[in-house]
Amino acid sequence: QLQESGPGLVKPSETLSLICGVSGFSINRGYFWGWIRQPPGRGLEWIAIMYLSGSTYYNPSLRSRVTISLDTSKNQLSLNVTSVTAADAARYYCARHSAVSGAFDIWGQGTLVSVSS
Amino acid sequence: EIVLTQSPGTLSLSPGERATLSCRASQSVSNNYIAWYQQKPGQAPRLLIYGASSRATGIPDRFSGSGESETDFTLTISRLEPEDFAVYYCQQYGGSPRLTFGPGTKVDIK
Repeated sequence: QLQESGPGLVKPSETLSLICGVSGFSINRGYFWGWIRQPPGRGLEWIAIMYLSGSTYYNPSLRSRVTISLDTSKNQLSLNVTSVTAADAARYYCARHSAVSGAFDIWGQGTLVSVSS
Repeated sequence: EIVLTQSPGTLSLSPGERATLSCRASQSVSNNYIAWYQQKPGQAPRLLIYGASSRATGIPDRFSGSGESETDFTLTISRLEPEDFAVYYCQQYGGSPRLTFGPGTKVDIK
């Protein structure tokens, strides 16, 4: 129901662009939508969440380089990460977040991103 | 800034045993906004518990969560099944930063 897509490989200093297609329900329906990443063999790192109204929250450690957006016409969310380095190599997950429960209740399978010249 | 600490880092147990996982927050977590996730190798995380103690849809009742205080939270697996051996993460929402994950506890087979 959530399917991430991305380039797979990005060069250092370039911009990483990811898309998450949502099927089976509308992103208009009262949830936050977010991105989480996981470097190989490591834990989960929250990146950002966004509500359709425009309320957006970012991880302060990534705030200067990331942008999350929602496209209701395509029922998808996007993430841009600028000036990537090797530290940005990870599996990137999109997920639905409920402000009522405070939790991510539906996750995509993730897309793996490598960084190399 | 709210930092989550999980202990132990690794828990080695046998099927049928009880698992007790701890998540401690450096500051009070508002409204008990603590969630627990299970992650198996090669899979996305799965929501187990939200609101510190509410089971997500379809989660077996051997999984339970509790909050001993506004900073101390526990996930208990009453009797480990073979499919429960995995990594477990806690997550807080509503603090500063808005959302953080703990480092995880690995439950492996003894």
